[in-house]
Amino acid sequence: QVQLVESGGGVVQPGGSLRLSCTASGFTFRTSGIHWVRQAPGKGLEWVAVISYDGSKKYYADSVKGRFTISRDNSKSTLYLQMNSLRGDDTAVYHCAKGNSYLDSWGQGTLVTVSS
Amino acid sequence: EVVMTQSPATLSVSPGERVTLSCRASQSVGSNLAWYQQNPGQAPRLLIYDVSTRATGVPVRFSGSGSGTDFTLTISSLQSEDFAVYYCQHYNNWPPITFGQGTRLEIK
Repeated sequence: QVQLVESGGGVVQPGGSLRLSCTASGFTFRTSGIHWVRQAPGKGLEWVAVISYDGSKKYYADSVKGRFTISRDNSKSTLYLQMNSLRGDDTAVYHCAKGNSYLDSWGQGTLVTVSS
Repeated sequence: EVVMTQSPATLSVSPGERVTLSCRASQSVGSNLAWYQQNPGQAPRLLIYDVSTRATGVPVRFSGSGSGTDFTLTISSLQSEDFAVYYCQHYNNWPPITFGQGTRLEIK
């Protein structure tokens, strides 16, 4: 079955950096678009970024544009999110989710806490 | 950016009842609308896509309808496992995709 497992979360100071990973299995990773969606504590879902199946197209939410970079390694079935210049409002659980438009499978998420 | 508004924010209902959740888009999204269910501490789960198509394994008591700007998710007879938060999401002319703020179903 489809599995998406995020890792790399933790506590980071404002202005710091973190790289998240999402390891996929159970489907053909290299043919799937993949998104990052985050959820602040007690809040709703916020789309963050998407990358096309081959990595040629990348799109970002305005709130993270210029600070976050999405990438993928199809040889490792792994998605990444490089997060720089982190702020307090970036504190959230970050989920990776498979799909080109609607999101048909989600990972459990990894918690990122930005705090001094 | 399309703003998705869900109502109500919280709905108190009894098991076995029929319930309808609403989602309104700030502009037409055609039929590019999905619904998700999220239980506490768990990842969201896709329920419905393209307004009314149930995802794999979703029980028939879940149904979706609407078009353009107004959409509904109906649960015909609430089961205990249905008490969760529900989100709508559009994917028309994206990015960005946007989600509604969610409707929480709680046990009356």
